[in-house]
Amino acid sequence: NAGVTQTPKFQVLKTGQSMTLQCAQDMNHEYMSWYRQDPGMGLRLIHYSVGAGITDQGEVPNGYNVSRSTTEDFPLRLLSAAPSQTSVYFCASSSPGTGGATGELFFGEGSRLTVL
Amino acid sequence: AQSVSQHNHHVILSEAASLELGCNYSYGGTVNLFWYVQYPGQHLQLLLKYFSGDPLVKGIKGFEAEFIKSKFSFNLRKPSVQWSDTAEYFCAVNGPNDMRFGAGTRLTVKP
Repeated sequence: NAGVTQTPKFQVLKTGQSMTLQCAQDMNHEYMSWYRQDPGMGLRLIHYSVGAGITDQGEVPNGYNVSRSTTEDFPLRLLSAAPSQTSVYFCASSSPGTGGATGELFFGEGSRLTVL
Repeated sequence: AQSVSQHNHHVILSEAASLELGCNYSYGGTVNLFWYVQYPGQHLQLLLKYFSGDPLVKGIKGFEAEFIKSKFSFNLRKPSVQWSDTAEYFCAVNGPNDMRFGAGTRLTVKP
């Protein structure tokens, strides 16, 4: 029962490098999203997707790209890493909610990224 | 877009004390409301949720929350906390497009 799987769990980058955080879910959820968690700021939404081929921006999308070619996968790309992107990143998925975009979000274990 | 405000950044309690964590949201439409808990070093897990019906909802581990529509509030309560409740608690509100979280409240329970 894998749920939401994120890789890698830890990554150190140098400023200007690019990388992709992988996220896969096996629950056939239509909705997927990426959040970053920073001390004192809670979780802030980066990008989300309501289904394959559909993505949209959240609160803090700058510096990040996403794509959704399949229902299962939702990778997050950092095009040119900056120290301000040092954070813990969480991927989450959900089936449609009643009265809202999503039901309960199921989270991955998180990916801790450090940009030097 | 909707927003969430959590009033307490860090709460320190002794075991057996009662807990109430404040949460207010800003959104004019139909909302779904959630409380998530994050134990040290772990990912977020659902504590309880409100979609409709009885405004007093019960969750896991003895937690409950009350939805007061007129106050745009969804406060979390527990009558008697345990050391194992030490964690960070996040209130979240689900709007038409996405789910937004509050800044979180860190709860420390002293044995």
